[in-house]
Amino acid sequence: DAKTTQPTSMDCAEGRAANLPCNHSTISGNEYVYWYRQIHSQGPQYIIHGLKNNETNEMASLIITEDRKSSTLILPHATLRDTAVYYCIVRVDGNTGKLIFGQGTTLQVKP
Amino acid sequence: EAEVAQSPRYKITEKSQAVAFWCDPISGHATLYWYRQILGQGPELLVQFQDESVVDDSQLPKDRFSAERLKGVDSTLKIQPAELGDSAMYLCASSLTEANTDTQYFGPGTRLTVL
Repeated sequence: DAKTTQPTSMDCAEGRAANLPCNHSTISGNEYVYWYRQIHSQGPQYIIHGLKNNETNEMASLIITEDRKSSTLILPHATLRDTAVYYCIVRVDGNTGKLIFGQGTTLQVKP
Repeated sequence: EAEVAQSPRYKITEKSQAVAFWCDPISGHATLYWYRQILGQGPELLVQFQDESVVDDSQLPKDRFSAERLKGVDSTLKIQPAELGDSAMYLCASSLTEANTDTQYFGPGTRLTVL
């Protein structure tokens, strides 16, 4: 399974964009990039996923580099409720579908 | 919006006792996962079902853990006997299929404390 590397922690000012990077230099052609977040003591929450193209939904945008070796999750206007651990996961097709979580990035949104 | 249901939300038990957790996946989801999350770490898969069949239980401590999904809908995870090291969050997730294009949705989890 492709390994991901994320910064351990990041801060962001409330109302500003939060840009969370993820490196996945060993990603293969059929592997998707998924982002989840986990607010304290809750189950992980799905945010967004993509293969090659940039994706946007009501929660966030996902920017994937052309070589697919890295991606950035963008929360356009961070609020205090966005404080959470953010996990970037590369998901292999045919590997039973399980998610392999790393340590993630702890995002602290500050007033 | 459909959600994965889990109960109980919290469970405190003494070591050597038996505990059971229940999960009801999103309707129509054939694939069900049980993950365990130790404090400060990411979730790790314990067992995966496709309908009523186990497809991956390689990380399930089978001497004390068991899981079933008898009718291919809801599922139960049991620990007997519980040990101190079993204290963790137990998360259930479901998806339409196991394909990497099908999103996994998680329930709120069961926080287990073993005394």
